[in-house]
Amino acid sequence: GQQVMQIPQYQHVQEGEDFTTYCNSSTTLSNIQWYKQRPGGHPVFLIQLVKSGEVKKQKRLTFQFGEAKKNSSLHITATQTTDVGTYFCAEQSFSGGYNKLIFGAGTRLAVHP
Amino acid sequence: EAQVTQNPRYLITVTGKKLTVTCSQNMNHEYMSWYRQDPGLGLRQIYYSMNVEVTDKGDVPEGYKVSRKEKRNFPLILESPSPNQTSLYFCASSGGRTQYFGPGTRLTVL
Repeated sequence: GQQVMQIPQYQHVQEGEDFTTYCNSSTTLSNIQWYKQRPGGHPVFLIQLVKSGEVKKQKRLTFQFGEAKKNSSLHITATQTTDVGTYFCAEQSFSGGYNKLIFGAGTRLAVHP
Repeated sequence: EAQVTQNPRYLITVTGKKLTVTCSQNMNHEYMSWYRQDPGLGLRQIYYSMNVEVTDKGDVPEGYKVSRKEKRNFPLILESPSPNQTSLYFCASSGGRTQYFGPGTRLTVL
């Protein structure tokens, strides 16, 4: 079935270093969403990418959607302790007319001051 | 304030004792869904509902039931909980693109 693979599972960085998480699929994605979950919290929507090759920025976060729409990445420049959490990508499927999200396993980011 | 609420937030129970986790949203969303989150597996959809009285199975529906009698409420029912249902559960609602998640219910089945 549909599956999105996310790597790495875990990343530990020093504050100020950059961080990237990758999301890959064997099939073409209709679109990709990114969520952040703080420790002890719930997933919070960050962004949706729809177009091939799309790049969107939110302050220090840069989101990319691959040209073939089979992969996506989230890059954080100069991490801060507030970036700690787990980042999930999710494919949104409209199969059967409903809004289904298929989540990757997530990348847990630890930032040390 | 637009939100999704879940109750209880924490629950410890024993095998076989029926329980219900409530979920309510105040955003007038038609779509609601339940997920479970387990380490290394991300979030997996249990059931979803496109509207009142319309529900369908997600990826991991075994051992769960849902009902959607009102637009705002979407309870998750475990008729006979088992230890493999120990997990963190999230309810979510959506009016289109974005899914809004509730705060989560941490369930332990002994």
